[in-house]
Amino acid sequence: EIVMTQSPGTLSVSPGERATLSCRASQSIGSDLAWYQQKPGQAPRLLIYGASFRATGIPARFSGSGSGTEFTLAISSVQSEDFAVYYCQQYNNWPPYTFGQGTKLEIK
Amino acid sequence: QLQLQESGPGLVKPSETLSLTCTVSGGSISSGTYYWGWIRQSPGKGLEWIASIYSYNGNTFSNPSIKSRVSMSVDSSKNQFSLRLRSVTAADTAVYYCATTTDNWFDPWGQGILVTVSS
Repeated sequence: EIVMTQSPGTLSVSPGERATLSCRASQSIGSDLAWYQQKPGQAPRLLIYGASFRATGIPARFSGSGSGTEFTLAISSVQSEDFAVYYCQQYNNWPPYTFGQGTKLEIK
Repeated sequence: QLQLQESGPGLVKPSETLSLTCTVSGGSISSGTYYWGWIRQSPGKGLEWIASIYSYNGNTFSNPSIKSRVSMSVDSSKNQFSLRLRSVTAADTAVYYCATTTDNWFDPWGQGILVTVSS
């Protein structure tokens, strides 16, 4: 099973600042990585697939990068609606699909 | 645009079977390009993929951690798919989401249903 590790656990930023979230895979997964955003009481929402492709309707301030074992989700200028928990998911080697434990983006 | 909605009991007794249904709207569950799946989230914790079914041929894939207790099925006449999880314990208490995937990422998701295992 591929283990996904996200860091930091919590990231505190001020609105308008840049946020950078990390995800590491326990073995190489190529570009087979997705990112999700989850707000309280809601289901996760797909942001990024293929490590760097934005899903339909996702603002351009969200960008994904990386390949192999190291991946990054960047939010260029954090808006109030972006404060949420973010998860990465690998789909290179399944079953099982595996998720990271999440990074909480909070207001500084 | 596909929409998914979970339904089922919110309370299940220990050792019994958890049964949930996901109703799909906005498209046919019989489309050969979709996998239909279940993911759960224990209170205050992260996401765990449970299982997925390929409606075209009924092939089911499960998380090895709970594979022996899981089964899935599709009812094309109702545009629904279902999850059965046997011999539940308190550790199975979670919000259960149904979701779909064509290329191994999950989109869209249902709103989720909280299932509590308690006597």
